[in-house]
Amino acid sequence: NAGVTQTPKFQVLKTGQSMTLQCAQDMNHEYMSWYRQDPGMGLRLIHYSVGAGITDQGEVPNGYNVSRSTTEDFPLRLLSAAPSQTSVYFCASGSRGYNSPLHFGNGTRLTVT
Amino acid sequence: AQSVAQPEDQVNVAEGNPLTVKCTYSVSGNPYLFWYVQYPNRGLQFLLKYITGDNLVKGSYGFEAEFNKSQTSFHLKKPSALVSDSALYFCAVRDAGNTPLVFGKGTRLSVIA
Repeated sequence: NAGVTQTPKFQVLKTGQSMTLQCAQDMNHEYMSWYRQDPGMGLRLIHYSVGAGITDQGEVPNGYNVSRSTTEDFPLRLLSAAPSQTSVYFCASGSRGYNSPLHFGNGTRLTVT
Repeated sequence: AQSVAQPEDQVNVAEGNPLTVKCTYSVSGNPYLFWYVQYPNRGLQFLLKYITGDNLVKGSYGFEAEFNKSQTSFHLKKPSALVSDSALYFCAVRDAGNTPLVFGKGTRLSVIA
């Protein structure tokens, strides 16, 4: 049981490049989400999904796309990277239910130059 | 919309002393409250959650949290701090709708030997 797996762990991009951050979970969780963590800003929600085929925007969705074609995977796409997207990105998953805690991956540290 | 505030960026405490990390929240309706801990270069780990009707909730690693409805607070406590408790702590809240979890900005706890 690997939990939530994020790849890659580190990535450096040039401005304008695109890439996909991968997230996979093996706990059969319906809910998945992407957060970014910046110093002094806490965690801010980018996008989330309550099930396969369903996605919604969070607090800071601009510049990011997501899709949820399977229960297990929830990739985050950066369409045209900008220095403001330099951050640590966390994927999290959880069961349905208001009181269900989230399970987090170990993060992807992204630098855009 | 729900929100959570952690008024202290940093809390310093001597090893063996009690610790408190503060959290206040705002939701419409009943709150679903959580505490998470983050160690360096890792994702967030679930510590504990509020259970309706229990004003004192016990969690992992000897931590507990005190819920106060009139003050809309959910402070994290531990009777005797350890150096290994040094980490970044996040409070989070959601309401009973199909809304995602909202995190505070985090409080860095430093336990000094």
